[in-house]
Amino acid sequence: NAGVTQTPKFRVLKTGQSMTLLCAQDMNHEYMYWYRQDPGMGLRLIHYSVGEGTTAKGEVPDGYNVSRLKKQNFLLGLESAAPSQTSVYFCASTYSPSMEQFFGPGTRLTVL
Amino acid sequence: RKEVEQDPGPFNVPEGATVAFNCTYSNSASQSFFWYRQDCRKEPKLLMSVYSSGNEDGRFTAQLNRASQYISLLIRDSKLSDSATYLCVVRGDTGRRALTFGSGTRLQVQP
Repeated sequence: NAGVTQTPKFRVLKTGQSMTLLCAQDMNHEYMYWYRQDPGMGLRLIHYSVGEGTTAKGEVPDGYNVSRLKKQNFLLGLESAAPSQTSVYFCASTYSPSMEQFFGPGTRLTVL
Repeated sequence: RKEVEQDPGPFNVPEGATVAFNCTYSNSASQSFFWYRQDCRKEPKLLMSVYSSGNEDGRFTAQLNRASQYISLLIRDSKLSDSATYLCVVRGDTGRRALTFGSGTRLQVQP
């Protein structure tokens, strides 16, 4: 099993450009999450999903959109990238919020 | 006040030392508690769950103090490979569908 995978691993954008980050899991998990991690800030939740077709806002949702059209995939979109969105983005999935979350390897995004 | 607070460190300790980290949480209704480990530029991975009665996994011991709302992690006989950032993670009440991560405590074990 691949576990949780993220695409791409690295990306450089110019201000105003758009992009989509893809997260895929092969563990049949219902719950999926998108986090960003900045130095000294820890992991902050952007959006999450409790099942196919559902999404909800996390702590820092502004400037991002998500979709969960298939149970195994969770997409994070940036419609108009800003330098403040320079960060490392992690996706995670789990069977239940009380259980272990499995993380992808991360996407390092730089917005110039 | 942050929901989960940790001393960022770094804690610099020699090999073989015992080191302890504490983490405090603000929501008294919190239900689930974890320690995750994160190596530099890598994804977090579960180190251990924290149970009300305390639990041990080899050289690692986790304790929960609900009255004072803190969680601790004790590492005995530190190894160079223990060098990492340790994240304290809390799930709020049972209605919460997400976890809250602390900013992490950095540990550097020195030869």
